[in-house]
Amino acid sequence: NAGVMQNPRHLVRRRGQEARLRCSPMKGHSHVYWYRQLPEEGLKFMVYLQKENIIDESGMPKERFSAEFPKEGPSILRIQQVVRGDSAAYFCASSLSAGTGGDQPQHFGDGTRLSIL
Amino acid sequence: QKEVEQDPGPLSVPEGAIVSLNCTYSNSAFQYFMWYRQYSRKGPELLMYTYSSGNKEDGRFTAQVDKSSKYISLFIRDSQPSDSATYLCAMKGLGSNYKLTFGKGTLLTVNP
Repeated sequence: NAGVMQNPRHLVRRRGQEARLRCSPMKGHSHVYWYRQLPEEGLKFMVYLQKENIIDESGMPKERFSAEFPKEGPSILRIQQVVRGDSAAYFCASSLSAGTGGDQPQHFGDGTRLSIL
Repeated sequence: QKEVEQDPGPLSVPEGAIVSLNCTYSNSAFQYFMWYRQYSRKGPELLMYTYSSGNKEDGRFTAQVDKSSKYISLFIRDSQPSDSATYLCAMKGLGSNYKLTFGKGTLLTVNP
């Protein structure tokens, strides 16, 4: 399967613990995006990364959330000291590029469903 | 006013019906328009990707964009039970064109 791979598919954490969500983009894709889907809400943009760079994190909460996309390995979305309101589905997408023009759609993984007890 | 409005449904149709799904938007900077299909507990799957106004057809699916009215549509012909899913419209602009803005999705059920 050459699609976007996310793991784990389901993650349960207690309040105050840390959650680490992983995303491996499609083969050949170097642009990664994270979105969050709250119950009864649409997907909301969180952060856009290229290898070793955060390009836009305007959709990320200012505290407790961080993201990285290292030179080697998957992209990681990290949530520290989780609270009940962090319960959601977190989706990763990737694209070939994100240039100012051209046909570069984003392809999504199946998400990580985070539940906070 | 939300940037993208989409009727959440649910929408229930008999097999073989023509389905019409719609979104309206308020941001005139949007230039790229997409429809994704999302099955339960799965990620969004890209169905249609269009730029600016006009029509695009792919098999049983037709996407229409009317920028003057800020209105986009997805038509599904000869609908099948396997089309039962949530359909999400999404849009992006040129400047920060990587940010997709999504509608909330319309839940469609096609009954055999």
